[in-house]
Amino acid sequence: AQTVTQSQPEMSVQEAETVTLSCTYDTSESDYYLFWYKQPPSRQMILVIRQEAYKQQNATENRFSVNFQKAAKSFSLKISDSQLGDAAMYFCAYRSFGAGNMLTFGGGTRLMVKP
Amino acid sequence: GAGVSQSPSNKVTEKGKDVELRCDPISGHTALYWYRQSLGQGLEFLIYFQGNSAPDKSGLPSDRFSAERTGGSVSTLTIQRTQQEDSAVYLCASSLRGASSPLHFGNGTRLTVT
Repeated sequence: AQTVTQSQPEMSVQEAETVTLSCTYDTSESDYYLFWYKQPPSRQMILVIRQEAYKQQNATENRFSVNFQKAAKSFSLKISDSQLGDAAMYFCAYRSFGAGNMLTFGGGTRLMVKP
Repeated sequence: GAGVSQSPSNKVTEKGKDVELRCDPISGHTALYWYRQSLGQGLEFLIYFQGNSAPDKSGLPSDRFSAERTGGSVSTLTIQRTQQEDSAVYLCASSLRGASSPLHFGNGTRLTVT
């Protein structure tokens, strides 16, 4: 079974600065998908960014980018120019390539943004 | 368009009572998932429906938990004889078929068992 580990329970960043959230995973599969989700106090999970394992290029979405290291099974999220609205829980998730499998989530990292 | 809708938003029940949680997925999404999130924790997979296939129930923690999906759309998660350890936020998500399709989540139901 796949496992996802987020080793940072909490992180803090100054507004306008850059922060990196760590995620590692364990799998024997070669094809899979990785996701970062954001969960603000409203509870709704919001997709931040997605990475296909067969793509070497790191995914980017505006201020959000990932550092995907397949051999190391590492998938970190970098948030540039942090904003107050970025404060939330962030979850890393793994999904097998086979259609329809569930997402396996890490334990989450609480990000605080200081004005 | 409309997102995933869950009801009720909050539910307080007495230990031993049965509860039903409802999920309306996004129209056209064939896959539907239930997750449980205990306070300050990650998401625990419960059950997954894909079209007309038999559901994947591998995450259900006990036989007190069951779920159904009628007509390939609305889903109901039922917890019988609730226990205090069932207190959590129950999240529903739906997606199109295919592993690359992201899950779209509802706002969840916060269940409190007293």
